[in-house]
Amino acid sequence: GAGVSQSPSNKVTEKGKDVELRCDPISGHTALYWYRQSLGQGLEFLIYFQGNSAPDKSGLPSDRFSAERTGGSVSTLTIQRTQQEDSAVYLCASSLSRTQETQYFGPGTRLLVL
Amino acid sequence: LAKITQPISMDSYEGQEVNITCSHNNIATNDYITWYQQFPSQGPRFIIQGYKTKVTNEVASLFIPADRKSSTLSLPRVSLSDTAVYYCLVGDIGSASKIIFGSGTRLSIRP
Repeated sequence: GAGVSQSPSNKVTEKGKDVELRCDPISGHTALYWYRQSLGQGLEFLIYFQGNSAPDKSGLPSDRFSAERTGGSVSTLTIQRTQQEDSAVYLCASSLSRTQETQYFGPGTRLLVL
Repeated sequence: LAKITQPISMDSYEGQEVNITCSHNNIATNDYITWYQQFPSQGPRFIIQGYKTKVTNEVASLFIPADRKSSTLSLPRVSLSDTAVYYCLVGDIGSASKIIFGSGTRLSIRP
């Protein structure tokens, strides 16, 4: 079946511009996660959605970052007024329901802020 | 939150058993341990998960001592295709924000 998909696969933008990154989770998965992976580094948790509950936004690094999940499916991560330090790979994952269950990752969006 | 330490890199040869150890000294009662594999330009892929003692599946084994302050991923008879980065993850059953990934171990397998 279809896995987690993300778009775009690559994004180059100029400092100060806004960007939107999209994630399509596996159908039926109620849990959705966003992570950031800087070059050669581990994954940094950003935000977590679980069903209709309020999202866990505790990992968002600043108020320039926001995310939403419409209809319990597709999610969009928005970065406003991008900075060069925002350059990283942004990974989305989904799991069936709870945090301890296997997370299925998408291929990521590679963001470069010039 | 658990602080995770794992070796930056390891080298081995085809057919060998590889053991990668992850240190998580301040692991909490609700934390579980998971290992992921990541190839270049791909998202991480689940390998194995455990809470205590030993877990085995078709690709790996996970050894967790009684104090749970470390865990060891064991890959039997590695092949060239096992060359990847391996991440140790410690996560709270009830909170996504308490999921911590290690910095990863870059495993290189030689012929």
